[in-house]
Amino acid sequence: QVQLVQSGAEVKTPGASVKISCKASGYSLNTHCMHWVRQARGQGLQWMGILDPSLVRPTLAERFQGRITLTRDTSTNTVYMELSGLTSADTAVYFCARSKLRFMEKDVWGHGTTVTVSS
Amino acid sequence: QSALTQPASVSGSPGQSITISCTGSASDVGSLNYVSWFHFRPGTAPKLIIYEVSNRPSGVSDRFSGSKSANTASLTISGLQAEDEGDYFCSSYTTATTVLFGEGTTLTVL
Repeated sequence: QVQLVQSGAEVKTPGASVKISCKASGYSLNTHCMHWVRQARGQGLQWMGILDPSLVRPTLAERFQGRITLTRDTSTNTVYMELSGLTSADTAVYFCARSKLRFMEKDVWGHGTTVTVSS
Repeated sequence: QSALTQPASVSGSPGQSITISCTGSASDVGSLNYVSWFHFRPGTAPKLIIYEVSNRPSGVSDRFSGSKSANTASLTISGLQAEDEGDYFCSSYTTATTVLFGEGTTLTVL
């Protein structure tokens, strides 16, 4: 069964960093891309970036460049998203979602990880 | 890049049909057929219901259908059921090789 299991909720103070994991099971990370998407309360979805196994570097949404790091560990079939310089505007639910190719549909999603930024 | 434009909310009675629009630009919806629709419900992982404008993944009811005209994609749900409630988001790949999502539409089944 293909699924993505994300790490648990996080509470951070402004200026801190958060690192969220997304463990894939039922398939290999080498065969699919992984997107990161977030949803702030009451707002739409924001695409943050993609890890494409065919490319050396991730592709990042402009608004997150300089603050986001996407990595993967093929030994554990896990991808990571680290976001630095947190502000209250980063309070959101963060999702990982896979697609076969970067332009294709995101067919499997994680359940989401809630990140709360508060002083 | 701005988000794709969706109505904030739609509603319908059981058995009725509703349509949700998703308006983008010539750099995304208008020029590429990589438009998807997702259903979000509290407590469950988001679910893909339409891909490549009008294709349904295996297991998705044929009550869901998608289409596109110019820069606007549409999702139609026929024979509304209580389980259809939730938030619906569209998504499009862009010519800049990024992804755009819609603002989301909350569906209420009356």
